[in-house]
Amino acid sequence: GQQLNQSPQSMFIQEGEDVSMNCTSSSIFNTWLWYKQDPGEGPVLLIALYKAGELTSNGRLTAQFGITRKDSFLNISASIPSDVGIYFCAGQYTGNQFYFGTGTSLTVIP
Amino acid sequence: DAGVIQSPRHEVTEMGQEVTLRCKPISGHDYLFWYRQTMMRGLELLIYFNNNVPIDDSGMPEDRFSAKMPNASFSTLKIQPSEPRDSAVYFCASSFSPREQYFGPGTRLTVT
Repeated sequence: GQQLNQSPQSMFIQEGEDVSMNCTSSSIFNTWLWYKQDPGEGPVLLIALYKAGELTSNGRLTAQFGITRKDSFLNISASIPSDVGIYFCAGQYTGNQFYFGTGTSLTVIP
Repeated sequence: DAGVIQSPRHEVTEMGQEVTLRCKPISGHDYLFWYRQTMMRGLELLIYFNNNVPIDDSGMPEDRFSAKMPNASFSTLKIQPSEPRDSAVYFCASSFSPREQYFGPGTRLTVT
């Protein structure tokens, strides 16, 4: 199946710091989604991207659809303790199926 | 809207027993997806439906797994007989058009 490489695997940062993570694929994608999952809960949709080069914000979160259409980036500014969780990227290139990355585990140290 | 509803939230069963997981998608959504999440394999798509019709079940592990969607507001995922390696968190997600999927809270299945 489609491989999505998400990095970094985990991050430990101080509260207030900015966070950057990315996702790359071997195929060109038409849609990128970013999700956050809290322990014991389902993934929650954060941002959806539909065009190459698109930059979309949701509060302190900003995501970009890479120009090559093979990558996407998520930035979190001024992190707070409730940002803790696992962040997943998901990409769609054909049909209706989305492929998920392996996740980035974020820990915010107060 | 209440979001995607899944039941039960937790299920513990013995090997060999039948397990049925239930999902109510968001009203108006025409796509429904079943996923399995494990530490080793991450999120895996098992099957998805469009307008209650199964479209792709290539992710279903084996014949012990089956899924149905008798109407637009209900779907089941059944495992019979269950095995310890089926232990995982099973998520249902729905969407309007095959784009932004919204996930339910999941069912944590433990097979002993």
